[in-house]
Amino acid sequence: KNQVEQSPQSLIILEGKNCTLQCNYTVSPFSNLRWYKQDTGRGPVSLTIMTFSENTKSNGRYTATLDADTKQSSLHITASQLSDSASYICVVSETGGFKTIFGAGTRLFVKA
Amino acid sequence: NAGVTQTPKFQVLKTGQSMTLQCAQDMNHEYMSWYRQDPGMGLRLIHYSVGAGITDQGEVPNGYNVSRSTTEDFPLRLLSAAPSQTSVYFCASRSLLAGGNTGELFFGEGSRLTVL
Repeated sequence: KNQVEQSPQSLIILEGKNCTLQCNYTVSPFSNLRWYKQDTGRGPVSLTIMTFSENTKSNGRYTATLDADTKQSSLHITASQLSDSASYICVVSETGGFKTIFGAGTRLFVKA
Repeated sequence: NAGVTQTPKFQVLKTGQSMTLQCAQDMNHEYMSWYRQDPGMGLRLIHYSVGAGITDQGEVPNGYNVSRSTTEDFPLRLLSAAPSQTSVYFCASRSLLAGGNTGELFFGEGSRLTVL
């Protein structure tokens, strides 16, 4: 069964610190992997997209990595800000159709 | 440019009642979809559409109906609400021009539904 698993479930860090969120998937055939940010009470918003041939992609203080061989991705947040407090959702899509699998998300709390 | 608009934001129903969640997008996206988000779980696909007049079931379609009469609108109908349908519902759309599953999903703000 295609699955997307994220760790940790939740994380508390101090403002200014870095953190890394993990995503493991078993989705096949693989098309792409996106990381979404979901603020409380809002809909998810895409941060990055990575395809099979891409290893690293950055969006400001967010850097995503992808290892297609081990089926793992990470999202690294640098110099965290209070506004980074949100859920971060890993989303993996199959090729040849419309199927998209969502992870349960990592809830990040950034404290002052 | 409003993006994806969902109404209502909050709704309380009694068991057995019916209602429709509205979703509209102004980006001319071919693909529209409905998800439910429950605590500790990833978003689960209820129904989706790849164009006017074309709909298909997702992972958890039971108890829900959809129709797509225009490109812009994709309402979700609860036929006879049950407490198990208490959830937050999200509508999302994306362009299919890039092909397959590569386009970014644009989400509405969500509709929180409670069934008593």
